Amino acid sequence: AQTVTQSQPEMSVQEAETVTLSCTYDTSENNYYLFWYKQPPSRQMILVIRQEAYKQQNATENRFSVNFQKAAKSFSLKISDSQLGDTAMYFCAFMKQNTGANSKLTFGKGITLSVRP
Amino acid sequence: DAGVIQSPRHEVTEMGQEVTLRCKPISGHNSLFWYRQTMMRGLELLIYFNNNVPIDDSGMPEDRFSAKMPNASFSTLKIQPSEPRDSAVYFCATRRINEQFFGPGTRLTVL
Repeated sequence: AQTVTQSQPEMSVQEAETVTLSCTYDTSENNYYLFWYKQPPSRQMILVIRQEAYKQQNATENRFSVNFQKAAKSFSLKISDSQLGDTAMYFCAFMKQNTGANSKLTFGKGITLSVRP
Repeated sequence: DAGVIQSPRHEVTEMGQEVTLRCKPISGHNSLFWYRQTMMRGLELLIYFNNNVPIDDSGMPEDRFSAKMPNASFSTLKIQPSEPRDSAVYFCATRRINEQFFGPGTRLTVL
């Protein structure tokens, strides 16, 4: 079974600064996907970024980037130039690379990020 | 596309009543997931379907919970009888290839 650990329950960052959210996971799989989801106060779950385990290059989406360390089973999210709208809960998630019926997400417990004006 | 549609968005009911939550998946997505989110337990997968067939219901907390997917465009999660500890936000999500899309959730309060 897979597990996803987010050990920091909450973090705070000043607007325009950079913040890094940590995530580790445990799996015996070699092929899988990792995700970061954002959940703002509206509670809508929004996909922020995705990483394929077979890719060595770290994924980036505008101000969001990841540091994927496969050997260490670490998958951190870096938010650059933090904005007030980044205030939300962030979830790290894992999914086996499987095109069959058993591809489900395993989530971490989430981290609450507050961006201070 | 309207995305995943859930109804109702909010539900307040009394203990012992039957509650039915509804989900309309994105057209063409062949997997559907029901999640429950609480402060104490975080996001929990309750059950998921592939091509309308339940694949894994090991997350369903007890017999009071049941889920159906009679066709590719509709799913329900039913709680009967409801209890205060069922109060939570319930999400429906659907999958295309290797990405899940979430609905807006139903906030359930059982008094």
